[in-house]
Amino acid sequence: EAGVAQSPRYKIIEKRQSVAFWCNPISGHATLYWYQQILGQGPKLLIQFQNNGVVDDSQLPKDRFSAERLKGVDSTLKIQPAKLEDSAVYLCASSFSFDRGSGYTFGSGTRLTVV
Amino acid sequence: GQQVMQIPQYQHVQEGEDFTTYCNSSTTLSNIQWYKQRPGGHPVFLIQLVKSGEVKKQKRLTFQFGEAKKNSSLHITATQTTDVGTYFCAGYRGGGADGLTFGKGTHLIIQP
Repeated sequence: EAGVAQSPRYKIIEKRQSVAFWCNPISGHATLYWYQQILGQGPKLLIQFQNNGVVDDSQLPKDRFSAERLKGVDSTLKIQPAKLEDSAVYLCASSFSFDRGSGYTFGSGTRLTVV
Repeated sequence: GQQVMQIPQYQHVQEGEDFTTYCNSSTTLSNIQWYKQRPGGHPVFLIQLVKSGEVKKQKRLTFQFGEAKKNSSLHITATQTTDVGTYFCAGYRGGGADGLTFGKGTHLIIQP
């Protein structure tokens, strides 16, 4: 099966600019997640979607971050305006169900550098 | 909020030696998952443990879930250079309302 697709792979922007990341999950996976991974740390959950609804966005900095999954398939994460501390890898993941024991499938991520 | 702690942060071993990483959750978990991330790569799912006291093996890797479902360990026997990477545990509290909480990972460095 095809994996989780993410684009772009790399992005360099200046602080206060805006940026958007795109994710296409594995076909049939209802749950989609965006994680932020700062260098040397574990991934941190930003937002979780079930189909096109938000299940958990408690750790999303809503003053600058937004995400949508309008048709319940692909998703976009946006940062506006970016800060230096937003430099990280943004990982998208999808899963079918925890009951299936299949875990998450992660995309290759987008490495964001804010200068 | 839920916290997942892993030790050690770094582990240097000679090729052929064994390796163990430990994971501790601040809350009781519904299940725990383990992921491996190669340098420059993304996390790749290894295994999920669900039952109290569960032990699972994948070739040279042995995974354990504690009786209280708050801790876990990953043991690699006779490490090889292909084992290099960061091993993350990730805890799931259940209910579907939140995603996995990842630990900071253990970076395994192998000297040939």
